[in-house]
Amino acid sequence: GAVVSQHPSRVICKSGTSVKIECRSLDFQATTMFWYRQFPKQSLMLMATSNEGSKATYEQGVEKDKFLINHASLTLSTLTVTSAHPEDSSFYICSARDRDSWETQYFGPGTRLLVL
Amino acid sequence: KQEVTQIPAALSVPEGENLVLNCSFTDSAIYNLQWFRQDPGKGLTSLLLIQSSQREQTSGRLNASLDKSSGRSTLYIAASQPGDSATYLCAVFSSGSARQLTFGSGTQLTVLP
Repeated sequence: GAVVSQHPSRVICKSGTSVKIECRSLDFQATTMFWYRQFPKQSLMLMATSNEGSKATYEQGVEKDKFLINHASLTLSTLTVTSAHPEDSSFYICSARDRDSWETQYFGPGTRLLVL
Repeated sequence: KQEVTQIPAALSVPEGENLVLNCSFTDSAIYNLQWFRQDPGKGLTSLLLIQSSQREQTSGRLNASLDKSSGRSTLYIAASQPGDSATYLCAVFSSGSARQLTFGSGTQLTVLP
């Protein structure tokens, strides 16, 4: 089956620093990738949708200058949390849509971010 | 805007019981509905996907039903086991201009040995 990986799985950083999270589709080409955020005991909230080679589309209330998304290839998307603050601490999950099966999304294992 | 609700928020049952988790959605214009399992601190594991034209899907002890017209889905777990303890998320893939997954808030299941 299709596999999506995320790196790192866990990161701790100091307030004010930037953190980059990678999302890779390992055995398929993903024209569209999605980034979600999940706070404890809450559901996944879509942050942004990124299409390969174009700018990401951000959901209402998500700061595009704070959460930089790059989708430079069909297998890699990155989310950079710039000038992170403790309130950015969360579980970030990416998913990828197979180019040949647009109704199906495959999810990564998530990245736990803790900002001190 | 699609809204997905899951009831109950938490459920605790003794091992061996059959149980039903509920999911409702406000907009019936969907492509499919998916049930996921999430263990603490982990990502999502897809359990069942029901296309909008289907009424149910089965996998082992799991059976998911879909009533698109009423905006409801149920996940039935037979003969529950402690290993079934997890959070179960329902997600709807909406058609129309949105074309995105909308998640419910989940049901946290605990199966007691």
